[in-house]
Amino acid sequence: DGGITQSPKYLFRKEGQNVTLSCEQNLNHDAMYWYRQDPGQGLRLIYYSQIVNDFQKGDIAEGYSVSREKKESFPLTVTSAQKNPTAFYLCASKLDNTDTQYFGPGTRLTVL
Amino acid sequence: SQQGEEDPQALSIQEGENATMNCSYKTSINNLQWYRQNSGRGLVHLILIRSNEREKHSGRLRVTLDTSKKSSSLLITASRAADTASYFCATDGLAGSYQLTFGKGTKLSVIP
Repeated sequence: DGGITQSPKYLFRKEGQNVTLSCEQNLNHDAMYWYRQDPGQGLRLIYYSQIVNDFQKGDIAEGYSVSREKKESFPLTVTSAQKNPTAFYLCASKLDNTDTQYFGPGTRLTVL
Repeated sequence: SQQGEEDPQALSIQEGENATMNCSYKTSINNLQWYRQNSGRGLVHLILIRSNEREKHSGRLRVTLDTSKKSSSLLITASRAADTASYFCATDGLAGSYQLTFGKGTKLSVIP
């Protein structure tokens, strides 16, 4: 099956800890994205990557970090500097020169 | 910054009725997309309309775009209980389609 996978589905973190959310795609898509969604809100862009070894900050990058060492993988680290990390995190990807983004199932992060 | 704003925030209708959702945006665009999100899941692309198009159909979906008013509408005809979900509009910018900006969404409930 082709698609985008995110793991874990649910993640609990203690205050002060860094956590890494996984995003993998086997669609051979070039661009990958991380969004944050809070209750009743739309999606806000955290980071995106157009090609391997390159990424750009989105609207709310503070307290987050990413890497793009492989085309199919774009992990997101939520650092202790992120003051309010409890949210639903969505990963997406798309093919170059197309407009539609394809989304993973999401990871719900809760800070205890 | 949030480019698109959906209206209404919530909509409740009976099965078989039509559902209309609206989206307004602020800056010029190349295209506008509509996505659907079931509760706690990722987004699924529904339809894309380009700035030089005024109307587009896909199955029970009808999308209109009025670039002079910077607004779009999504009509779902003959709604079904399975259409219950949140619906988001997303716009790109003239600078390119790598980034999408999402509205806060319309939560649609279809009562059987």
